[in-house]
Amino acid sequence: DTAVSQTPKYLVTQMGNDKSIKCEQNLGHDTMYWYKQDSKKFLKIMFSYNNKELIINETVPNRFSPKSPDKAHLNLHINSLELGDSAVYFCASSQGHSNEAFFGQGTRLTVV
Amino acid sequence: DAKTTQPNSMESNEEEPVHLPCNHSTISGTDYIHWYRQLPSQGPEYVIHGLTSNVNNRMASLAIAEDRKSSTLILHRATLRDAAVYYCILVTDSWGKFQFGAGTQVVVTP
Repeated sequence: DTAVSQTPKYLVTQMGNDKSIKCEQNLGHDTMYWYKQDSKKFLKIMFSYNNKELIINETVPNRFSPKSPDKAHLNLHINSLELGDSAVYFCASSQGHSNEAFFGQGTRLTVV
Repeated sequence: DAKTTQPNSMESNEEEPVHLPCNHSTISGTDYIHWYRQLPSQGPEYVIHGLTSNVNNRMASLAIAEDRKSSTLILHRATLRDAAVYYCILVTDSWGKFQFGAGTQVVVTP
């Protein structure tokens, strides 16, 4: 069983579209994250949720809206996609935040 | 946020040990030292973490300096599968976050 799974794995879309990326973890963790890895390979945290509540929002444009329907899911919705949104997006989870984090395989988003 | 400094890259021969240094001179008393690695086209993978004492697990060992201002990740016998970018991260014991730096690219030569 995959611990942290993201769908889709690849997403190609046009500028201006709205898209969602889904993330699910089956580890029973209480904390989930979204990270963005750009073309220079830097991993930057975007959001952190603990028990379905937003804990961290790292000055991400409000076109990005995370939604956590329950502790096992943290979805990322992106409105009005821009070329600069092209990146690999990783979901992760941990129990608390000082313990090890488990990452998904990533979603490669390409905006054309 | 406390920062970490790592060499850009390190090269090792297969089956030799690899010592990856990390400096974190501004570490605070409640910061945990985490190490992750990222293989090509994969998500980051947890390697090991510690607070003050040295730690060992099946993947690696973590040696933490007495003043906690530096640490070393030790891969005891490098394999080709260990070729990856290794990240040293400080994680605060509050509602903190995993802040990734540039990491160290490890190249393993047969």
